[in-house]
Amino acid sequence: QVQLQESGPGLVKPSEALSLTCSVAGDSINRGGSFWNWIRQHPGRGLEWIGNIYIDGRSDYNPSLKSRVIISLDTSQNQVSLRLSSVTAADTAVYYCAREKSRRAEAGTVRRWFDSWGQGTLVTVSS
Amino acid sequence: QSVLTQPPSVSAAPGQKVTISCSGSSSNIENNYVSWYQQLPGSAPKLLIYDNDERPSGIPDRFSASKSGTSATLDITGLQTGDEADYYCGTWDNRLRTVFGGGTKLTVL
Repeated sequence: QVQLQESGPGLVKPSEALSLTCSVAGDSINRGGSFWNWIRQHPGRGLEWIGNIYIDGRSDYNPSLKSRVIISLDTSQNQVSLRLSSVTAADTAVYYCAREKSRRAEAGTVRRWFDSWGQGTLVTVSS
Repeated sequence: QSVLTQPPSVSAAPGQKVTISCSGSSSNIENNYVSWYQQLPGSAPKLLIYDNDERPSGIPDRFSASKSGTSATLDITGLQTGDEADYYCGTWDNRLRTVFGGGTKLTVL
């Protein structure tokens, strides 16, 4: 049973960078076969996909956040990290780490889903 | 404003059936697989359905889903008070990558 645990500062000042870590237990990010994602949820709002990374280093980001986001892997620690730069109050949210699985699909079709989620961590952007 | 459109809320009495819709387009739902997530109050989302209509182990068969064209639906039968939660659909969008619906709050009256 995979377990994901987010950690990082709960308070970040405007214009600074937000950095979070997701520790993975019960699965090795080295093993491949999974994408490692960050997803956030603004207070009282829906889910917003931030981006993901695969073991081979390929990453993909939400176009609306792409210029400010970096997701990276630390295979020695079995961790996934998120860095979001130049934050504003609009970045205040609960940030989730999630494992994404996929299956082979028809050409041009994407067949993926999030099968495991961390408990989430609230990050508030305020001076 | 979400790319996938869900009703903000639905309600039904215990034991009844409820249907939650998720409307998209040819760039997302029509040509990709849909998943559904349940978020109980104060908790992280949990996978409910993947591959349009598949249930992970441990998810009761009271939960079922389907997809047709640019829309998907989640059905919950035999409603229980413990089903009160927010429900989200998710899929791939050819331009926006992974997208979610705005979420539907289920109230069991």
